[in-house]
Amino acid sequence: DSGVTQTPKHLITATGQRVTLRCSPRSGDLSVYWYQQSLDQGLQFLIQYYNGEERAKGNILERFSAQQFPDLHSELNLSSLELGDSALYFCASSVTVFSPLHFGNGTRLTVT
Amino acid sequence: DQQVKQNSPSLSVQEGRISILNCDYTNSMFDYFLWYKKYPAEGPTFLISISSIKDKNEDGRFTVFLNKSAKHLSLHIVPSQPGDSAVYFCAASAYLSGTSYGKLTFGQGTILTVHP
Repeated sequence: DSGVTQTPKHLITATGQRVTLRCSPRSGDLSVYWYQQSLDQGLQFLIQYYNGEERAKGNILERFSAQQFPDLHSELNLSSLELGDSALYFCASSVTVFSPLHFGNGTRLTVT
Repeated sequence: DQQVKQNSPSLSVQEGRISILNCDYTNSMFDYFLWYKKYPAEGPTFLISISSIKDKNEDGRFTVFLNKSAKHLSLHIVPSQPGDSAVYFCAASAYLSGTSYGKLTFGQGTILTVHP
């Protein structure tokens, strides 16, 4: 158990809808990262927060947004969903930006 | 543009033998490298790392080698065990340069199967 909690585990929704994925980092970890793993793809970095502030952005679509709250949990919001957004979304956390990342078990999003 | 490549999608090894997983990178700014292991229905788990100031790092049965001039790293598992069967991801970052803020660039992964 990595200590990173992601909810829900599975999400099935229709095109055009909006969903929110939630992540609770390990106790004490200030950095939260979101990654996307599509079919046959490696993990693609989406966005990173450190202690509530956005620190780095990857190839995150404009339809996607995230935030980290004062209690350090984070949410990833995906809107105007398309079939191609179907993927595994992983959250990870670390104590500092120089520490190895610890991943949650992911949220599997299926857009129909 | 795939900056981290794992060219072998899969590797099959007999229990007790050595497993060697390879990874190549193209971005010369990368200075910190990690290996993650992933079981089905779980998130990746950190295995071992190496910074660019070293060329080898060991942790028990796992050793990572870094060849900076060739932009190549490898993970050796000796001896291999059936429980090592998983997907192995190589990842890289520009930690030491202070530009990546912890962002990791992952390879596509290699499926390792260790047969009893």
